[in-house]
Amino acid sequence: ETGVTQTPRHLVMGMTNKKSLKCEQHLGHNAMYWYKQSAKKPLELMFVYNFKEQTENNSVPSRFSPECPNSSHLFLHLHTLQPEDSALYLCASSPRTASNMNTEAFFGQGTRLTVV
Amino acid sequence: AQTVTQSQPEMSVQEAETVTLSCTYDTSESDYYLFWYKQPPSRQMILVIRQEAYKQQNATENRFSVNFQKAAKSFSLKISDSQLGDAAMYFCAYRYRDDKIIFGKGTRLHILP
Repeated sequence: ETGVTQTPRHLVMGMTNKKSLKCEQHLGHNAMYWYKQSAKKPLELMFVYNFKEQTENNSVPSRFSPECPNSSHLFLHLHTLQPEDSALYLCASSPRTASNMNTEAFFGQGTRLTVV
Repeated sequence: AQTVTQSQPEMSVQEAETVTLSCTYDTSESDYYLFWYKQPPSRQMILVIRQEAYKQQNATENRFSVNFQKAAKSFSLKISDSQLGDAAMYFCAYRYRDDKIIFGKGTRLHILP
């Protein structure tokens, strides 16, 4: 148990649906991340939030919309997805200070998303 | 752009033997951090070991150790006395300024009983 909780663990959605993934951490971390893990590909960094401000959008299509209402919660809103968006979506958090780059990211267990 | 390369998609090792997983990276930075993560079938990413680039001494955590060659931009992971529970995907990761953590494609490690 890393202290980062993702819900749901599994999600099947149609291409016209709207759904949201949720991530929660109570570790006192200020940085939160969304990663996409597809088969045979590296983990792809999607978004980074620091102190609730988005600091990285790695050319992610607009059908993925992140939201960070506070430092403990991170959402990924999904709409009109494509079958190729099926993947494991991992949330992570880490401390955010200049002296803490050696601190690892703590990951949730991921949401397995299937788009049909 | 920073990249992390793991050239071994899969590896197998006999239980109790030693195995080394390779990782190379490309960066123009001088101050950065390197990590090895383990992802078992449960999908939970767990930190195995970390290395600060400014430290010459190789990091060690129990049966896990690294061989960090900064000039060669190489960061391999050695697992000694392999155990069945070590079977997992292993990811090499690089962290530099800001908060980006870049991962390699991973190496799937099989432990043969």
